[in-house]
Amino acid sequence: DTEVTQTPKHLVMGMTNKKSLKCEQHMGHRAMYWYKQKAKKPPELMFVYSYEKLSINESVPSRFSPECPNSSLLNLHLHALQPEDSALYLCASSQDRWGLYEQYFGPGTRLTVT
Amino acid sequence: TQLLEQSPQFLSIQEGENLTVYCNSSSVFSSLQWYRQEPGEGPVLLVTVVTGGEVKKLKRLTFQFGDARKDSSLHITAAQPGDTGLYLCADGSSNTGKLIFGQGTTLQVKP
Repeated sequence: DTEVTQTPKHLVMGMTNKKSLKCEQHMGHRAMYWYKQKAKKPPELMFVYSYEKLSINESVPSRFSPECPNSSLLNLHLHALQPEDSALYLCASSQDRWGLYEQYFGPGTRLTVT
Repeated sequence: TQLLEQSPQFLSIQEGENLTVYCNSSSVFSSLQWYRQEPGEGPVLLVTVVTGGEVKKLKRLTFQFGDARKDSSLHITAAQPGDTGLYLCADGSSNTGKLIFGQGTTLQVKP
């Protein structure tokens, strides 16, 4: 089973709201990732967790706050977002964080900030 | 910084035609991965190639990896509307764990 699940599928939020995106995998993978993707563009890496610890933060604004409660779960907490943050947010996982391991992506959360 | 260039960026063809998408790197690939992404969905891994000169087939898709491991191609035979999507090549950095993506090829196959 190579499934990564994400909830919700769609999210509309105002600029003053607080919301969270959730990601789950049961493949025993020890690395998990958050990406942001705009239409017809490649995914842009935001965060990497390795063994439940944050190992890479790609200079993401603090209005995005990641959390890894355990090895299967990854959250992205959103607060005071801007309309330009509207995008598809993708979660991925891999066996380990080193680049030779394949990444498996979830279906994404389509976020609209109004 | 490694750069991946994909060509063409956009391709619109009729069902039944053949096509080739190219991915070229400014440096040697560590681990080249090809993904297909359908609208509104996440990227789905198609294949991983690591050995120079390697050829892999996945039904009507043929993936080639250059001998020098700096270029790759994806050939689709007799394209079908279900092949429509964004095709991404990516290299896994063996040092950082990051995936370096090409800018993608948007393919539209018309019935």
